[in-house]
Amino acid sequence: AIQLTQSPSSLSASVGDRVTITCRTSQGISSALAWYQQKPGKAPKLLIYDASSLESGVPSRFSGSGSGTDFTLTITNLQPEDFATYYCQQFNSFPLTFGGGTKVEIK
Amino acid sequence: QVQLVESGGGLVKPGGSLRLSCAASGFTFSDYYMSWIRQAPGTGLEWISYISSSGSTIYYTDSVKGRFTISRDNARNSLFLHMKSLRAEDTAVYYCARWTLGGGWFDPWGQGTLVIVSS
Repeated sequence: AIQLTQSPSSLSASVGDRVTITCRTSQGISSALAWYQQKPGKAPKLLIYDASSLESGVPSRFSGSGSGTDFTLTITNLQPEDFATYYCQQFNSFPLTFGGGTKVEIK
Repeated sequence: QVQLVESGGGLVKPGGSLRLSCAASGFTFSDYYMSWIRQAPGTGLEWISYISSSGSTIYYTDSVKGRFTISRDNARNSLFLHMKSLRAEDTAVYYCARWTLGGGWFDPWGQGTLVIVSS
């Protein structure tokens, strides 16, 4: 199975900050990566697919980049509603796998 | 709008069985592949199963093979997960999610149903 390692596992940031979350895969997956946001008690919500494509309705302050084994989710101008946990997911091969998550907390 | 609603969760003893359901609406269910994904308390996400639109292709993660069975009823716009030989480590919120056609990401997800395996 392809392993996904997210870093950091948690971070503290302030409103207006730029935040970068990294997802590294144990083998190359081209651009077969998605990013999700999950708030407490809620289901995950799709943010980014194909590594860098923004899901419809998602604010443009969210962006994704990378290919191969190294991927990044960037949030510019962090807003109060962005404090949540973020997960990456690979869909290059079965079993589909998720990263361990990155919790973005208020500083 | 597109909606997925899970049901069937609850408290079950180790070794017991449970059937989860997911009712789909707002889209042509029979066109889409579907999946079950779970999240143990306080932990991350684990994909557990996938079924093609016709039901002819099915995948499971190793930890549930032989114990869980995914199925669907396209006439009733419903997805199911039959779980048997349940273990404490199966305790989790179980989500159904739509697999994007031509892709591999999940959107949307249901609200989840909690399964607790405990004596």
